Amino acid sequence: DQQVKQNSPSLSVQEGRISILNCDYTNSMFDYFLWYKKYPAEGPTFLISISSIKDKNEDGRFTVFLNKSAKHLSLHIVPSQPGDSAVYFCAASAESIGGTSYGKLTFGQGTILTVHP
Amino acid sequence: DGGITQSPKYLFRKEGQNVTLSCEQNLNHDAMYWYRQDPGQGLRLIYYSQIVNDFQKGDIAEGYSVSREKKESFPLTVTSAQKNPTAFYLCATLPNWGTNYGYTFGSGTRLTVV
Repeated sequence: DQQVKQNSPSLSVQEGRISILNCDYTNSMFDYFLWYKKYPAEGPTFLISISSIKDKNEDGRFTVFLNKSAKHLSLHIVPSQPGDSAVYFCAASAESIGGTSYGKLTFGQGTILTVHP
Repeated sequence: DGGITQSPKYLFRKEGQNVTLSCEQNLNHDAMYWYRQDPGQGLRLIYYSQIVNDFQKGDIAEGYSVSREKKESFPLTVTSAQKNPTAFYLCATLPNWGTNYGYTFGSGTRLTVV
């Protein structure tokens, strides 16, 4: 049962344009969402997160939008750069800070982003 | 520099052998996690530990074992009972009272059964 889904295995974008990566979830108990970026043969690096009490969070070129009613979140990268080419994972958590399962994340399958010069 | 060290980077295992993957951190983080990545799949949680001498099974713990005798170390043993151990293994840490769940990951160990 895939509780977090990234239905697009890959996305190709021209440099300078917007990249939009999508993620859907099924577990209504999820209350915290994150995006990670991963290069081949390396560990993922944390990009940006959003709590379920918000619908938008921005950090520089990266913005995450959360639509709780649709159980959907998206990551916008503007403008896209060739260095953004990587695999992007969304992840979700159903445990509040300090809970017994704190930090336990459920990941999507990942989307390969390629930004062409 | 603070960080997570996973070793070895590449590991080859014969059928029927147990192997242990090392994860060491000097970030002073309380919680440590082991994830497995397979092609076309997301990361799946194997085991996690929030304090020394305590750990919990994740979603795919069968065929794996862990220990947490020191805060800095969380080794993962892949036993012969794990039917399909070939994968990329990632160790991650988190301070127990963080605010954004942003893991710090190690660089991973690629395990191949030969």
